[in-house]
Amino acid sequence: EAEVAQSPRYKITEKSQAVAFWCDPISGHATLYWYRQILGQGPELLVQFQDESVVDDSQLPKDRFSAERLKGVDSTLKIQPAELGDSAMYLCASSPVGQGIYSAGYTFGSGTRLTVV
Amino acid sequence: AQTVTQSQPEMSVQEAETVTLSCTYDTSENNYYLFWYKQPPSRQMILVIRQEAYKQQNATENRFSVNFQKAAKSFSLKISDSQLGDTAMYFCAFRRQGGSEKLVFGKGTKLTVNP
Repeated sequence: EAEVAQSPRYKITEKSQAVAFWCDPISGHATLYWYRQILGQGPELLVQFQDESVVDDSQLPKDRFSAERLKGVDSTLKIQPAELGDSAMYLCASSPVGQGIYSAGYTFGSGTRLTVV
Repeated sequence: AQTVTQSQPEMSVQEAETVTLSCTYDTSENNYYLFWYKQPPSRQMILVIRQEAYKQQNATENRFSVNFQKAAKSFSLKISDSQLGDTAMYFCAFRRQGGSEKLVFGKGTKLTVNP
């Protein structure tokens, strides 16, 4: 079964350092999402890509977070500088575009657990 | 903006029994989709069941079924014949039809199935 690949699985970084996460969506999925899941809460969307274009980044803290999907395939999410409050699970998901009424759910990756110390 | 509320932070059930998880949501949209996702301790979010708002018939997937009350904006999940493998966090999620396809999640319910 096709999977959304994420790396690393775990990351510990010091406050003020830079950190990056990588996501490889299911082949052929044009839409890619990055979600942040703080412990004890549901995921919240950070950024959504359609191919290489950003569709929604309204909740992305742009002063420190950046995301790119240069060739419309894999994606990188970067935080610089990291803050203690950034400790969370970062989930990537992908879905086919134009599902119309079929409304299939996304496929999520296993996530990257970030701890900022 | 849409909001999703799960009022039960934690629940437990005995193996083979039935449990119902609650979810309410708030939206001004008429066409939308609702989902229940399961997140086991291994962390990968897995789709359990989905419901299209225009369908009156409640969705079922094997031991999982929903009670969708559109007027009340309620979307509960019933798990029948609970199994140990059902132990997980369960998230209710909303997605509007058209526009941004983002999911709006509730805070989750931690379900423990006891032997």
